Amino acid sequence: ILNVEQSPQSLHVQEGDSTNFTCSFPSSNFYALHWYRWETAKSPEALFVMTLNGDEKKKGRISATLNTKEGYSYLYIKGSQPEDSATYLCAFQGGSEKLVFGKGTKLTVNP
Amino acid sequence: GAVVSQHPSRVICKSGTSVKIECRSLDFQATTMFWYRQFPKKSLMLMATSNEGSKATYEQGVEKDKFLINHASLTLSTLTVTSAHPEDSSFYICSARAQGGLAAYEQYFGPGTRLTVT
Repeated sequence: ILNVEQSPQSLHVQEGDSTNFTCSFPSSNFYALHWYRWETAKSPEALFVMTLNGDEKKKGRISATLNTKEGYSYLYIKGSQPEDSATYLCAFQGGSEKLVFGKGTKLTVNP
Repeated sequence: GAVVSQHPSRVICKSGTSVKIECRSLDFQATTMFWYRQFPKKSLMLMATSNEGSKATYEQGVEKDKFLINHASLTLSTLTVTSAHPEDSSFYICSARAQGGLAAYEQYFGPGTRLTVT
């Protein structure tokens, strides 16, 4: 059974703080690692799809890194804003099209 | 682009009845759609993979006779929960994968359906 772990489970930060979360996944049979942002009552929104070891991706104030050899990815948010409040999901994709999700990190940014 | 709708967003039904949930890709063609279920404080769990024009592939432990999946067109997949029971109460969410290219990596999600069986 594939295990994808995300930490922390939840996080409260003040507006302007920078923060980061971790996703750990199996280091074997890696195909891609997905990050999603999920606001309440909305569809999960794809942030990044990462495929190469050492890959770094950036979208505005959000960036992510990938280490496939040791099986982890970090998501960074610089200068958090209240609108960044959401649950951030990572999903491991192995040798098939199936995604195995972590439980997510719930971020709350206080104004 | 890449919008997926899901209907209904919330449904309450009585035990023993059947409920149909629709998943539509609005601005792209989806050869493959996925159905997930999420119980409280748990991760999204894949139930089945649905390919247009063929039978769905169910994950281990998911009853195919209870969760009927139909993917009759490139923009619509339906999940029918038959003879629903309270233990089927959950959050059901679909995703769709577009045809070809880099989109082969990406799945686009609907907003989900909250099912409550009384």
